[in-house]
Amino acid sequence: GESVGLHLPTLSVQEGDNSIINCAYSNSASDYFIWYKQESGKGPQFIIDIRSNMDKRQGQRVTVLLNKTVKHLSLQIAATQPGDSAVYFCAETRSGNTPLVFGKGTRLSVIA
Amino acid sequence: EPEVTQTPSHQVTQMGQEVILRCVPISNHLYFYWYRQILGQKVEFLVSFYNNEISEKSEIFDDQFSVERPDGSNFTLKIRSTKLEDSAMYFCASSPRTAYEQYFGPGTRLTVT
Repeated sequence: GESVGLHLPTLSVQEGDNSIINCAYSNSASDYFIWYKQESGKGPQFIIDIRSNMDKRQGQRVTVLLNKTVKHLSLQIAATQPGDSAVYFCAETRSGNTPLVFGKGTRLSVIA
Repeated sequence: EPEVTQTPSHQVTQMGQEVILRCVPISNHLYFYWYRQILGQKVEFLVSFYNNEISEKSEIFDDQFSVERPDGSNFTLKIRSTKLEDSAMYFCASSPRTAYEQYFGPGTRLTVT
């Protein structure tokens, strides 16, 4: 039978195009959000973060947008490259030493 | 660049056996975590550790689990009597200040047969 959880949402993009990965977070009290990239067989790798007092933050080729009204987070990757192929997770947490709560993940597949 | 390391990369054990997963966090970090990821699913929090004691744990982290920082560099996760459902990737993470900047190790794949 089919196992729940083995089928991640998948986004396929052409090399050079922009990618947008979305995430709905769960806790309205969360005030810090992180995007992680996970390549096959590796641990999550920090990409970019944003605090709740901001609605946009830019890094190198990546931008994170935060919409607290609808509890939505997005990651934009400009000029997507084959090396960007991975599973992307959003994570949320509250102030203080609280654990990260990860979203379900999206698999990004870059077509060369 | 400093990184979190974990050993072994793959551990196979029989149901009911004890396993110890080892982690060396980044040296100046103060907060330590264990997470697990069942194949194809999201990463789940197990436990956080600060100042030589558990600061928070999830409902997954039952009496079969324990953590220890036996010396100034290692951070271990022990599962006393493994079950089939403990099969997963186990990730150690460390942070310099708060939960905000967590750096993950490469993981240990635990297979319980």
